[in-house]
Amino acid sequence: KAGVTQTPRYLIKTRGQQVTLSCSPISGHRSVSWYQQTPGQGLQFLFEYFSETQRNKGNFPGRFSGRQFSNSRFEMNVSTLELGDSALYLCASSLALGHNTEAFFGQGTRLTVV
Amino acid sequence: GQQVMQIPQYQHVQEGEDFTTYCNSSTTLSNIQWYKQRPGGHPVFLIQLVKSGEVKKQKRLTFQFGEAKKNSSLHITATQTTDVGTYFCAGPFQETSGSRLTFGEGTQLTVNP
Repeated sequence: KAGVTQTPRYLIKTRGQQVTLSCSPISGHRSVSWYQQTPGQGLQFLFEYFSETQRNKGNFPGRFSGRQFSNSRFEMNVSTLELGDSALYLCASSLALGHNTEAFFGQGTRLTVV
Repeated sequence: GQQVMQIPQYQHVQEGEDFTTYCNSSTTLSNIQWYKQRPGGHPVFLIQLVKSGEVKKQKRLTFQFGEAKKNSSLHITATQTTDVGTYFCAGPFQETSGSRLTFGEGTQLTVNP
């Protein structure tokens, strides 16, 4: 079956702009989590959604927001971009919500803010 | 705060040598998961250990979960060039809800042929 699909793969934006990243989880998976990966901070949890509701949120400002659609597709929006937002953004889908579920990662969207 | 630490940060080995990376959590984990990320790629799930003291093997890879569920290790026997990549441990803390994972900083493995 198809894996986690993230679009676009690469983005270049200017400081102050906003950006929307998209993620389609594996069919049947209802939990979607997002992580930010940077060389300095490693993999940092952004948030997790299940059944269109945010269930967990990491230590990121409100400029980072998300929306899960009824078909589980997910969009993450980042407003008022800062240079420090340059990172690889990874979407992970899981079959269910809980501790013992395997996370399947997409290939990521590499965002560069200039 | 709650964190997961991983050492070493880098490891260079000759092909055929063994490799071990260690993971330590500041608090008890519900389980420990290991991921491998190839250069330019994304994390790929390797394994999950749930029980205290659990040991699992996948061919040349051996994974251990500590008795206190606060530490773990990944050991690769006789490394091959295909083992190149960054290995991450990650876990949900027992008291957190959902599927939130806290990742270690990763160990970047390079293998010289």
